[in-house]
Parts: sequence; structure tokens; C-alpha cells
Amino acid sequence: QVQLQESGPGLVRPSGTLSLTCAVSGATISESHWLSWVRQPPGKGLEWIGEIYHTGNTNYNPSFRSRVTLSVDNSKNQISLILTSVTAADTAVYYCAKAAAYNLEVWGKGTAVTVSS
Amino acid sequence: EIVLTQSPGTLSLSPGDRATLSCRTSQSVSSGYLAWYQQKPGQAPRLVIFGTSNRATGIPDRFSGSGSGTDFILTISRLEPEDFAVYYCQRYGSSPLYSFGQGTKVEIK
Repeated sequence: QVQLQESGPGLVRPSGTLSLTCAVSGATISESHWLSWVRQPPGKGLEWIGEIYHTGNTNYNPSFRSRVTLSVDNSKNQISLILTSVTAADTAVYYCAKAAAYNLEVWGKGTAVTVSS
Repeated sequence: EIVLTQSPGTLSLSPGDRATLSCRTSQSVSSGYLAWYQQKPGQAPRLVIFGTSNRATGIPDRFSGSGSGTDFILTISRLEPEDFAVYYCQRYGSSPLYSFGQGTKVEIK
């Protein structure tokens, strides 16, 4: 069974850059279909950010397209998210999730990020 | 952009009750592209139903999904204590690929 583990700094300064990684275990990235990032602001709903395939192909939510970059490191079996020019509105729990056809079947536990000075 | 509207916002029920959750989409959605997730406090979402009516691995048969077009339903036939949570519907499509409803909280009455 694939397992996902997100990690990153818990605190990011406003206007700074948020960098997160998602480590995949139990399978290789190439076996993991598409991998997505989803975030959830405190007390709010879920928002899809984007997805990446092991080849490096990506799809992004247009709401984030100008600020987000996803990348894959097949040798480390992990993917990364970079979000630039962050504001307090980017404070959220960020989840990594594995797609299966048209849904997200496996989720990591999430990592909380606070944007604050 | 397609909008998913869930109702009610909160459902107050007792264990043993039947729960009926609605997800209405602003455009027609293929039945294969509609899923439901359960989320408990402090936990990640968990896939419950995919393809409108298919239970995910490990999901008990008291959970069922139905619907077509723009109206979809998640039914929990008899609520167990562990079923009290927030439920989100999700549609797969384009721009963005994954869209979520705002959630329905099923709370203990």
C-alpha cells in the first residue's frame, strides 16, 4: 500500500516562498499514477493545487498557476511543491494525494504551514 | 468553472439514523467523475465513494452513493459513532481538474 509523507517548514514569512516535499513509500513514483497537492485553510474546505506525473508532466489549478511549481525526483521517490509570494491566505494544511482514475485514493497526513512575520 | 454545492451544511442526527447528503453541480458531471470523502478532525480526507456509487476499499456497506447529471447523493443507512465527520463531494473535470464542495458536517444530535 502506498504511503505519503509531507514535510516542510511550519512557518513562512509573508512574500516568501513555501517549499514542501512529499515522500512516497510502498511503491515507486512511476507506479504511483498522478500525485496531487491539496490544501485546507483552517476551518475551511479542500482546494486542489496541482498534480504531477513521474515523467514531470504537470497540471495546475489556474488559481495558482502563476505562483506554483511542482517537480518530481524519481531517485528520491518524492515530489515537491514550491509556492511563491505567499500571504496569510496561504496558511493551510497541505496534503499530498495519489490519484486513481478520477479521484484521490490515498492521502498523506498533511503538513501545517503558517504564513506570518 | 464548475461549482459544487453541498446541502445541508450541517446534519444533526443520532446513531442509528439515516443520513442523506446532497451534492449539486452547476454543470452536468459524468457519473464516473463524482467522488465523496470523509474527514474527521485532525485527519486527512478519506475516499468513501468513487464513480458516484462505488465504495472504496474498506468502506462498510452502510455507505452508498447515487445520482446523475447535476444531483448526487451520499447515504449512510444507519449512522455509527465513527461516521460523524465532515463529508466532501468532488468532481473530476477541467480547469481545475479536481473541484470540491464546501462540505457537510454530520454531527451527533
